[in-house]
Amino acid sequence: SQTIHQWPATLVQPVGSPLSLECTVEGTSNPNLYWYRQAAGRGLQLLFYSVGIGQISSEVPQNLSASRPQDRQFILSSKKLLLSDSGFYLCAWSRRDRGLQETQYFGPGTRLLVL
Amino acid sequence: GDSVTQMEGPVTLSEEAFLTINCTYTATGYPSLFWYVQYPGEGLQLLLKATKADDKGSNKGFEATYRKETTSFHLEKGSVQVSDSAVYFCALFSNFGNEKLTFGTGTRLTIIP
Repeated sequence: SQTIHQWPATLVQPVGSPLSLECTVEGTSNPNLYWYRQAAGRGLQLLFYSVGIGQISSEVPQNLSASRPQDRQFILSSKKLLLSDSGFYLCAWSRRDRGLQETQYFGPGTRLLVL
Repeated sequence: GDSVTQMEGPVTLSEEAFLTINCTYTATGYPSLFWYVQYPGEGLQLLLKATKADDKGSNKGFEATYRKETTSFHLEKGSVQVSDSAVYFCALFSNFGNEKLTFGTGTRLTIIP
């Protein structure tokens, strides 16, 4: 069966510090990968998605970046965090061999608080 | 572009009450429709989905029917439990141009014993 892991589970960082959140998927190959942010009391905002190693599409211009160094690894980074980066970050994956109407499966999330 | 409009929350119900959370959508073509649930402190879990008109998705006592004529996918449950307290997200996936999930803003549901 497939599983998706995210770490850390929670993170408290000062403004201006760097960020690295990691997401890994097990039990499948060549998945689509996604990063979402959920701000307090709000819906989900798609930040990045990737259809393959080194292929990243950005949905929202901001001080965050994403990388996919391996097939099942997706990393969200920032060089300098802002207060507005606080939120709940969710990684998700979907199969690419089942057509386009695909279900996404979410990780447990990382709660980030920038102080 | 694609959009999903959900019933504003929060919603508070007594245990065993009937639940409806409204969801309507705007999309090109024939999207797939989803309900995701987020329990406190956790990520999202797929609750149910429907991929074509008149399909009914169901899981854990929840149901939603894909209504193309009204562009709706309302979530219903006949008798809610305290353990159903969570945030519910309606979403669509359209493969016409924007091949990504579009989410509603979520509806927080609280069930009181």
